[in-house]
Amino acid sequence: GNSVTQMEGPVTLSEEAFLTINCTYTATGYPSLFWYVQYPGEGLQLLLKATKADDKGSNKGFEATYRKETTSFHLEKGSVQVSDSAVYFCALIWGGYNKLIFGAGTRLAVHP
Amino acid sequence: DADVTQTPRNRITKTGKRIMLECSQTKGHDRMYWYRQDPGLGLRLIYYSFDVKDINKGEISDGYSVSRQAQAKFSLSLESAIPNQTALYFCAISRGNEQFFGPGTRLTVL
Repeated sequence: GNSVTQMEGPVTLSEEAFLTINCTYTATGYPSLFWYVQYPGEGLQLLLKATKADDKGSNKGFEATYRKETTSFHLEKGSVQVSDSAVYFCALIWGGYNKLIFGAGTRLAVHP
Repeated sequence: DADVTQTPRNRITKTGKRIMLECSQTKGHDRMYWYRQDPGLGLRLIYYSFDVKDINKGEISDGYSVSRQAQAKFSLSLESAIPNQTALYFCAISRGNEQFFGPGTRLTVL
């Protein structure tokens, strides 16, 4: 079946460090891929998405590229801020019902 | 105003009690979803609805039921709560292939 695997956290970084959170997926066909972010005490917010191979999603300095050959959608940011501290979820949608399949989430903690 | 609201935000109940979590939206979207979040497991789909007459089971529907009272309202019920239903519950709506989440309900079953 379809699934999403992302790197375990927590990831702890100093401010201005480079961030990578790995995400790989298993799916038949051509899913759309998403990154959601959950700030403390809040619901999930869509961070970025990509709908086909080689698409790059970007938002708020975060980027991720849909790599079909490696079935990956790694999240990157060149310089993290304390305000980026949150839990990040990789997810896919497959088929016509828009059901999201989530990874387990990766907690990011950024220190000054 | 938030697009998706959930009530209550926090609830503590006892084993065997019936609990209803409510979700309302202001965007007029047809598609609504209920998820639960557990540490280390991400979010898992409980039920989803594509309109008032269309209700579908998700990945983990056992022990839950839902009601789509109107286009804007989608309620989740636990008929007889048990401790392993302690979790954070999220309602979501979708527009195209993007989903928008409510703030969540933290449910504790003692």
